[in-house]
Amino acid sequence: AQRVTQPEKLLSVFKGAPVELKCNYSYSGSPELFWYVQYSRQRLQLLLRHISRESIKGFTADLNKGETSFHLKKPFAQEEDSAMYYCALSPYSGGGADGLTFGKGTHLIIQP
Amino acid sequence: DAEITQSPRHKITETGRQVTLACHQTWNHNNMFWYRQDLGHGLRLIHYSYGVQDTNKGEVSDGYSVSRSNTEDLPLTLESAASSQTSVYFCASSEAEGRDTQYFGPGTRLTVL
Repeated sequence: AQRVTQPEKLLSVFKGAPVELKCNYSYSGSPELFWYVQYSRQRLQLLLRHISRESIKGFTADLNKGETSFHLKKPFAQEEDSAMYYCALSPYSGGGADGLTFGKGTHLIIQP
Repeated sequence: DAEITQSPRHKITETGRQVTLACHQTWNHNNMFWYRQDLGHGLRLIHYSYGVQDTNKGEVSDGYSVSRSNTEDLPLTLESAASSQTSVYFCASSEAEGRDTQYFGPGTRLTVL
């Protein structure tokens, strides 16, 4: 079975500092990886997915198959980045979209 | 605008009672999912559906059931609520093809006393 690990429950950085939220996964096949974000009192929403290779709100994430990692990075943190971040994996079943396997989440706090 | 809604947003019930949480989406998505969110566990998949009359068990399906009689709705039923089912429940949907982005509802906070 697949697993997603986010080693940091809480990450606190100062505004303007670089941010890196770690995500490691275990899956024998070729997964699709996502980062979802949940701002205070808001619903979970997609931040980015590895297949699109986009930069959203200054965040990027590179899939490293050798290290089975999908770390989320931003060079200069902003206060509005404070939120709960979840790394998620979608396995391939050959059919429709299966449910996501989520990590336990990292609470990012940006201090002024 | 198309959206996904959940009701009720908050629910308090007693142990042993049957509870149904509603999820409704207007995107015409074939795939729908239910997750529960617990501190220290993140989100875990309960049940999911690929389309009408299709349902599948997820990681933590014991004590829960779903039915899919139309494209728009996937109600989640707790047959006999237990205190361990106190949680925040999220519904999500995605388009049919491949491993598409999932869109989440606002969540239902359920307390079982």
